[in-house]
Amino acid sequence: DVKVTQSSRYLVKRTGEKVFLECVQDMDHENMFWYRQDPGLGLRLIYFSYDVKMKEKGDIPEGYSVSREKKERFSLILESASTNQTSMYLCASSLLSSGALYEQYFGPGTRLTVT
Amino acid sequence: TQLLEQSPQFLSIQEGENLTVYCNSSSVFSSLQWYRQEPGEGPVLLVTVVTGGEVKKLKRLTFQFGDARKDSSLHITAAQPGDTGLYLCAGDLDTGTASKLTFGTGTRLQVTL
Repeated sequence: DVKVTQSSRYLVKRTGEKVFLECVQDMDHENMFWYRQDPGLGLRLIYFSYDVKMKEKGDIPEGYSVSREKKERFSLILESASTNQTSMYLCASSLLSSGALYEQYFGPGTRLTVT
Repeated sequence: TQLLEQSPQFLSIQEGENLTVYCNSSSVFSSLQWYRQEPGEGPVLLVTVVTGGEVKKLKRLTFQFGDARKDSSLHITAAQPGDTGLYLCAGDLDTGTASKLTFGTGTRLQVTL
C-alpha cells in the first residue's frame, strides 16, 4: 500500500521560531510537493522537487524553503514563522512524468498554528 | 490569481438528490484531475481526463472535460452520505513540467440522511 507520511498532525509554534515539516514517501517517486491549504483557496503549491537536491518554486514560495537530501524525504522549512503561515500543510509525491499526468499521493497533512 | 474557480463553494443536500460541481478557467489545460478529500486526510484521486469533450463514469459519478479544455464538471447521481467531502479539480497547464498541478478553490459537499 502506497504511503506518504508527515512528521506531525498538529503543531503549535510561536512567531519567529524556525519550523521544520518532514515528509517521507515509500513509493520511490521522483516528484515531491509541498502545498498549503486554506478555506476557499484550495491547495496552493509552495515548492516542488523532481530529483534529489533539485527544487523549484511554486506559486507562493515566500517565507519558505525546502530540502531534499534523499529521494524519499522532502522537508519544508519556515525560517521565521509568522501568524499568516497558520495553515494546513500537505505533502504529496508522484512519478516523474514524460507527458502523462500521474496521480499525486498525499499525506494526511500537518495543521500548523503560529501564535 | 486563482486559475481554477469551482462552484458552488458549499453544497448541502439530502441523500438521493443529484448535484453538479463546476470547475472553470480562462486557461487551457492539457489534462485535468478530480480529487476528493475527507476530514483529516489528504486528497485522493478520483479521475483523470485528457481529451476535450471526454466523459468518464465512476459508478454514480460522471466527469466531463470541456471541448476547449478550459472547464470540467462532476455530476453525482443519487448522492449518499459517503459522498461527503471536499471535491477539488486540478489541472496541468502543460508548461513543460507535466507533474505540476494547479488546484481549484474546492467544493465542500455534505450529504445528509
